[in-house]
Amino acid sequence: GNSVTQMEGPVTLSEEAFLTINCTYTATGYPSLFWYVQYPGEGLQLLLKATKADDKGSNKGFEATYRKETTSFHLEKGSVQVSDSAVYFCALLTGANNLFFGTGTRLTVIP
Amino acid sequence: DTAVSQTPKYLVTQMGNDKSIKCEQNLGHDTMYWYKQDSKKFLKIMFSYNNKELIINETVPNRFSPKSPDKAHLNLHINSLELGDSAVYFCASSDEGSGNTIYFGEGSWLTVV
Repeated sequence: GNSVTQMEGPVTLSEEAFLTINCTYTATGYPSLFWYVQYPGEGLQLLLKATKADDKGSNKGFEATYRKETTSFHLEKGSVQVSDSAVYFCALLTGANNLFFGTGTRLTVIP
Repeated sequence: DTAVSQTPKYLVTQMGNDKSIKCEQNLGHDTMYWYKQDSKKFLKIMFSYNNKELIINETVPNRFSPKSPDKAHLNLHINSLELGDSAVYFCASSDEGSGNTIYFGEGSWLTVV
């Protein structure tokens, strides 16, 4: 079956700290992988994506690399800001256009 | 212009009522979706439509009825609302031209009292 497992939060970091949010997946076939972000009181926004193995998605200083050998798509950012405080969702898209989400990881960045 | 727009953004209603949430996308996408986010932030697909035809229908009570008058609209009608229906409902769309990337609306916060 298809599923996504991401590290449970909440995660609290100081400003300028390094961020890693782990995400692993199980899937039949070759899914595309995504990170979505949900800022407080807002909807889901696409943060980045990767459609095949070894692709790296990047946006707003965030990066994630599609690792087929470890079935992972970990999200990283070198220096977080207070404005990065949000809930981050890892997701995979199957060939049937069904998007499976992880449980979300809440990140709080303190000044 | 908002790509995927849904209304209302907030809705508070009593148990037993019938309500609708409307969704429109101006991206020219062929496929539209409804997702539900529960109080623990867990997101799960409810329905997907491709060119007005139902493609995915997850295990959702039949009190929920999607309606797609054309490929740019997918409305969600809910009958006999229950307390457990309180959630955030997200409309979304995609197609091959977007690399099948799914774009979401801003969400509709439904509270049943």
